[in-house]
Amino acid sequence: KQEVTQIPAALSVPEGENLVLNCSFTDSAIYNLQWFRQDPGKGLTSLLLIQSSQREQTSGRLNASLDKSSGRSTLYIAASQPGDSATYLCAVPQGSYIPTFGRGTSLIVHP
Amino acid sequence: DAGITQSPRHKVTETGTPVTLRCHQTENHRYMYWYRQDPGHGLRLIHYSYGVKDTDKGEVSDGYSVSRSKTEDFLLTLESATSSQTSVYFCAISESGLSAFFGQGTRLTVV
Repeated sequence: KQEVTQIPAALSVPEGENLVLNCSFTDSAIYNLQWFRQDPGKGLTSLLLIQSSQREQTSGRLNASLDKSSGRSTLYIAASQPGDSATYLCAVPQGSYIPTFGRGTSLIVHP
Repeated sequence: DAGITQSPRHKVTETGTPVTLRCHQTENHRYMYWYRQDPGHGLRLIHYSYGVKDTDKGEVSDGYSVSRSKTEDFLLTLESATSSQTSVYFCAISESGLSAFFGQGTRLTVV
């Protein structure tokens, strides 16, 4: 059974800091890994999808890396802003097509 | 945004009554999923579907049933609602399990 762990569970930082969110998984035989953002009371919005053949993906100030051999992914947020405040979740497949989630990292960026 | 709609968005029901939540997609994706999200537990898979009339159980399927008679609709039924089923329910869709898209969620309260 795939198990996903996210560290830290919560993070509070001043605006402008560069951040690193961590995701680890137990079964490294994955096809992809996906990072999501969830605002309070809202659904999940996909941020980045990394295929198993890739090492990283970038979108604006976000960069996600994937190291399958060690069962880890990192989401890097550059120059954090108050609008980045949200919960960030990573998901990896259980088998080939069932997304399994970590419990997320709750991020607060204060001005 | 992916075309995925959940209804109703909010519902209050009494213990022991049946409840059906609907997920409708316009993307023609093969896979559909129902999750529940609770504080301290994250997102947990209830049931999923890999095609019309093809469904299977997730990790928290007790007390729930599903049906998928058309590609675009995936119904989640609570046969006899209990207070422990008070939660936020999310539907998700995926094609080939590569990238999942989520609905906005249904907040269900069982009193």
